[in-house]
Amino acid sequence: DIVMTQSPLSLPVTPGEPASISCRSSQSLLHSDGKNYLDWYVQKPGKSPQLLIKLVSNRASGVPDRFSGRGSGTDFTLQISRVEAEDVGVYYCMEALQSPFTFGPGTNVDIK
Amino acid sequence: EVQLVESGGGVVQPGGSLRLSCVASGFTLRSYWMQWVRQTPGRGLEWVSRIDNDGGYTTYVEAVKGRFTISRDNAKNTLFLQMNSLRDEDTAVYYCTRDADGFGGTSDYWGLGTPVTVSS
Repeated sequence: DIVMTQSPLSLPVTPGEPASISCRSSQSLLHSDGKNYLDWYVQKPGKSPQLLIKLVSNRASGVPDRFSGRGSGTDFTLQISRVEAEDVGVYYCMEALQSPFTFGPGTNVDIK
Repeated sequence: EVQLVESGGGVVQPGGSLRLSCVASGFTLRSYWMQWVRQTPGRGLEWVSRIDNDGGYTTYVEAVKGRFTISRDNAKNTLFLQMNSLRDEDTAVYYCTRDADGFGGTSDYWGLGTPVTVSS
């Protein structure tokens, strides 16, 4: 199984400031079709997880453009250009390449 | 609006069984693969199972193979997870999710979840 790691696990942020979360996989997530199968999800307090970004950098419907993703192979990054109060929650990366699909441990983003 | 509503969770003794259901609305269920994902405070998010459009292909995480069965009734817009021989470690909130494209494991919509507690 592919093992996903994230850092940091806790990220206090200041509204208006940028934030960044790193995600690494134990195996390359690059498929022969040229796509990296890496997703980002966010779970806001008291809510179910929701898709944020798929295939490294494709924002889900309704996701603000202050969220962006980049990376390839085994190293990936989620960036928030200017954090807003509504962005608090736990952010998870997930490998979507091969089952069993595995999630990272999550990064808890909260306001300083 | 896409909605996924799970039910069937509850408290069960070790070795017992539960059948989870997920009613889908706002989209044509038969057009999508579907998945179950569970969440515990200790182990975080764990993908459990996946099923193709017509139920002909299923796959499971090793920890539930031989005990859980995923199935679907497209005519009733419903996904199921039959859970047998339940163990303490199956205690979790179980989410029904829509598989975004049937290739990768992306879940583009999630239900509210149904809690399962396995305890004597």
